[in-house]
This record gives sequence, C-alpha cells and structure tokens, in this order.
Amino acid sequence: EAAVTQSPRNKVAVTGGKVTLSCNQTNNHNNMYWYRQDTGHGLRLIHYSYGAGSTEKGDIPDGYKASRPSQENFSLILELATPSQTSVYFCASGGNRGRFGQNTLYFGAGTRLSVL
Amino acid sequence: AQSVTQPDARVTVSEGASLQLRCKYSYSGTPYLFWYVQYQRQGLQLLLKYYSGDPVVQGVNGFEAEFSKSDSSFHLRKASVHWSDSAVYFCAASKYGGSGNKLIFGTGTLLSVKP
Repeated sequence: EAAVTQSPRNKVAVTGGKVTLSCNQTNNHNNMYWYRQDTGHGLRLIHYSYGAGSTEKGDIPDGYKASRPSQENFSLILELATPSQTSVYFCASGGNRGRFGQNTLYFGAGTRLSVL
Repeated sequence: AQSVTQPDARVTVSEGASLQLRCKYSYSGTPYLFWYVQYQRQGLQLLLKYYSGDPVVQGVNGFEAEFSKSDSSFHLRKASVHWSDSAVYFCAASKYGGSGNKLIFGTGTLLSVKP
C-alpha cells in the first residue's frame, strides 16, 4: 500500500509568519504534488515536482514556494502567511510515468492550517 | 480552458437505493478520467479511472462509471448504496503527455446515505 505522510496534521500560524508543511512518501514515486482544498473550489494544485531538485508551478502558486530535496520529501513553504491561506493542504505522490497523465495519485491525510 | 464540473454539491439517498453522481469535463480530445473518494478527515482514495476501451469501467466497492464522449461526461454509479459510502466524491481529469500530470478536480459532491 502506498504511503504518504504529512506533518504537522494541524497548524496555527500568525499573519506574516513562516510556515513549512512537510510531506514524505515511501512509494518511490517520481511525481509529487501539493493541493489545497476549500469549500466550493475542490482541490487546487499549488506546486508539483517530477523528481528531486525539480519544482513546477501549479494553478495557484502565488504566496507559496516548494522544495523537493529528495525523492521522498516535498515541502510547501509559506514565507509570509496570510489569513487567505487558511485551508486544508494535501500532499500526493503518483507514479513514475514522467509527464503522462494516467498516474494514480496517493494522498496524505492532510494538514489543517489556520492563519490568524 | 480545461475544467471538470460536478453540478451537484450534495446528494442524499436512502441506504439500498441506487446512486448516480454526475461529472462533466471540458477538454480537447479525451482526457484520463478519475473518480476519487474522501472519507471524513482523510486523504483522497482512487475509486476508478478510465482512458480508453469499454466505456463502463468498474471500480472498488461496487462502483462503476460510464464515459460518454458525445456528452463529455463520466458519471459515477452504484446499484445499492451502504451507509459507509457517505463521503465526498471528486471527479478529476488529466491529459496525456506535456503537462498531463496536472490533475484537475471538480468541486466534489457530498454524498449522505440515510439509514
């Protein structure tokens, strides 16, 4: 069974503070993703990566940075957190088929972030 | 623009009744199509996926979906729902190649199963 672990599971941050969300996968997947989930929007892609050292902008990258230091780890960084970034964040890993779209994604349990 | 639309934000059915959750996509050509399920406070899990072949694809737990190119739809069905099927269901799509690894999700349908 594919395993994706996110930490922390819950986080309260102050406006203007720095927040780092971490994700670890043991599936040896090349591709990893960060999504945020908001009511009325479903899941929206923030950043993704095709492998260690690579990061790509998703559909809503503004205000977020990503880091992929290794095959297993993919972090999402909020340098200056704002209340609009209050959301549930999901990390996912998926497949080794390069850029092909048929990869099944395996999701972590999510991080609930509140920015006050 | 590429998009996935789930027109029903919430569906309520009685246990044992049949179910259809609707999904429409807007893509040039035929995308890869997926249904994911999210149980409360958990990550999403794959139910089924489709790209080509038989337009009716079987998934886990008795779910199936039917692809229609003419209607640009990929509706999810189940013959008889159980209370444990209560969850949020997401339809998603992605393209072959290029930036095809970008999976676009619909807004989700919350399914409530009444005992």
